[in-house]
Amino acid sequence: AQSVTQLDSQVPVFEEAPVELRCNYSSSVSVYLFWYVQYPNQGLQLLLKYLSGSTLVKGINGFEAEFNKSQTSFHLRKPSVHISDTAEYFCAVTRMDSSYKLIFGSGTRLLVRP
Amino acid sequence: EPEVTQTPSHQVTQMGQEVILRCVPISNHLYFYWYRQILGQKVEFLVSFYNNEISEKSEIFDDQFSVERPDGSNFTLKIRSTKLEDSAMYFCASGGQGFNSPLHFGNGTRLTVT
Repeated sequence: AQSVTQLDSQVPVFEEAPVELRCNYSSSVSVYLFWYVQYPNQGLQLLLKYLSGSTLVKGINGFEAEFNKSQTSFHLRKPSVHISDTAEYFCAVTRMDSSYKLIFGSGTRLLVRP
Repeated sequence: EPEVTQTPSHQVTQMGQEVILRCVPISNHLYFYWYRQILGQKVEFLVSFYNNEISEKSEIFDDQFSVERPDGSNFTLKIRSTKLEDSAMYFCASGGQGFNSPLHFGNGTRLTVT
């Protein structure tokens, strides 16, 4: 079985500061990894994904994430955040041999302050 | 950009009643999913649907739940006899072939069982 841990339930940060949202996963089989963002009253939007290749993946809105197999981590980073980045961020995994049967973490609320 | 649309946005029902949540996936997508998020908890996979049949389902998706694609456009989730613990946000999602095709989520239906 797979599991995803997002240790930080909320991350407050000032505008234009860098941010890192942490994600660790556990799986006995190979997985694909994803980050989704949820703005208030909206669905989940894909930020980025790791399927294969370079371990540093770039996504939308200036976000990037690095896959670290030895540490089973997939942390999300942004060098300079905007007020508009305030949202809930979800890390998710799925087995490579599965469909989009995503296993989600509990989410991290990013709160950007002016 | 094409969207996954869900109706209604909010549904209130009494315990024991049947509810049908409706979704219109993106038109050329082949894979369809339902997820749910109980307030304050993780987003959880319920079921995936491909080629007019269920391809995977979770333990949550018991005999009270069913899915249907009654015509070429709609994808529905039916809960036969709702329980208080079915109160949640239900997300529909659709995707194309393979993980290079991103999964698109609708904005969700908030189901409240009283």
